[in-house]
Amino acid sequence: AQSVAQPEDQVNVAEGNPLTVKCTYSVSGNPYLFWYVQYPNRGLQFLLKYITGDNLVKGSYGFEAEFNKSQTSFHLKKPSALVSDSALYFCAVRVYGSSNTGKLIFGQGTTLQVKP
Amino acid sequence: DAGVIQSPRHEVTEMGQEVTLRCKPISGHNSLFWYRQTMMRGLELLIYFNNNVPIDDSGMPEDRFSAKMPNASFSTLKIQPSEPRDSAVYFCASSFTYAGTLRGEQFFGPGTRLTVL
Repeated sequence: AQSVAQPEDQVNVAEGNPLTVKCTYSVSGNPYLFWYVQYPNRGLQFLLKYITGDNLVKGSYGFEAEFNKSQTSFHLKKPSALVSDSALYFCAVRVYGSSNTGKLIFGQGTTLQVKP
Repeated sequence: DAGVIQSPRHEVTEMGQEVTLRCKPISGHNSLFWYRQTMMRGLELLIYFNNNVPIDDSGMPEDRFSAKMPNASFSTLKIQPSEPRDSAVYFCASSFTYAGTLRGEQFFGPGTRLTVL
């Protein structure tokens, strides 16, 4: 079965420190991977995606993510966290070539708390 | 572009009433998605359309739920009759699909917060 896992419900980090939000996936075929962020009472906002090419993907607001095929992971990272980064983060995957090519499978979300 | 537009933003209704949620996708997008978000179940895909045609409605919880997309710029999600367990935030998202493969990201609307008493 296709799935996405975010093993941490919450990640706490001090402002200025690097942050990592973890994501692993299980799909058949080539994965298209996405990260979204959700601020309170808002819809999801796209951060970045991996389709093909360089395993290190850079996105909005200084975030980046590294695709690791052998570990089936797509962890979200930022070198220096800001308090304003505090939000709910979702990892998602879509499988190329599947009859369900329109579907995104979302992880359960990870709450990031950045403390001053 | 105004982004994905949803209305109403908040809806409070009583059990048994009909509820209609509305969505206007981003102009030029040809795929539209309806999601439901709750604390217990997280983010669930209910149904999605491509070129106004429903492609996958396997996430629709039961016959009380129905969705339509009469044209490229409008979609509705209807619940009839509504029940308290339908209380959730309902999101609409749109994207552009080409060559039969959805490579682009989905753009989400602000959501409709539904409370069924």
